[in-house]
Amino acid sequence: NAGVTQTPKFQVLKTGQSMTLQCAQDMNHEYMSWYRQDPGMGLRLIHYSVGAGITDQGEVPNGYNVSRSTTEDFPLRLLSAAPSQTSVYFCASSYWYRGQANDGYTFGSGTRLTVV
Amino acid sequence: EDQVTQSPEALRLQEGESSSLNCSYTVSGLRGLFWYRQDPGKGPEFLFTLYSAGEEKEKERLKATLTKKESFLHITAPKPEDSATYLCAVQASSGSRLTFGEGTQLTVNP
Repeated sequence: NAGVTQTPKFQVLKTGQSMTLQCAQDMNHEYMSWYRQDPGMGLRLIHYSVGAGITDQGEVPNGYNVSRSTTEDFPLRLLSAAPSQTSVYFCASSYWYRGQANDGYTFGSGTRLTVV
Repeated sequence: EDQVTQSPEALRLQEGESSSLNCSYTVSGLRGLFWYRQDPGKGPEFLFTLYSAGEEKEKERLKATLTKKESFLHITAPKPEDSATYLCAVQASSGSRLTFGEGTQLTVNP
């Protein structure tokens, strides 16, 4: 049981480049989400999904795109990287029950992204 | 808007010196308050969920409590391996997102 797997662990991009951060979970969780973590700002929600084919915006969605074609995978796309997107990105998943995400979100180990 | 404030930002303890971390919150109807532990270079690791005022949960040297406005994470006789950043988050009854505090960085010296 691998939990939540994120790839790559580290990435350096040039301004304007695009890339996809991968997230996969093997716990059959309906709810998946992407957070970014920045010093002094805590973890902030970018996008989330409550099931295959369903996505919605979080607190800081601009510059990011997501899709959810399977229960297991929830990739995050950076459309045109900017230095302001330098951050550590975490994917998290949870069971979805009665319209709410349930206890104890499971987080991946993170992707450290630097945009130069 | 949901808000979470954690204090202190950093805390240094000697091994065996008990203390408490604070999490103050405002939320439009609390569904759950979460505590996580985060080690450097890793993702947050779930510790506790508290649902209602007066609830308490324990795990080894950690005990979490909840009131209507704040939560405390009590650390009894800490060991160096308890050194980490402790994060608090709230989930409103109306939604699914977690709102996180900035965390308390705990260092326990041997």
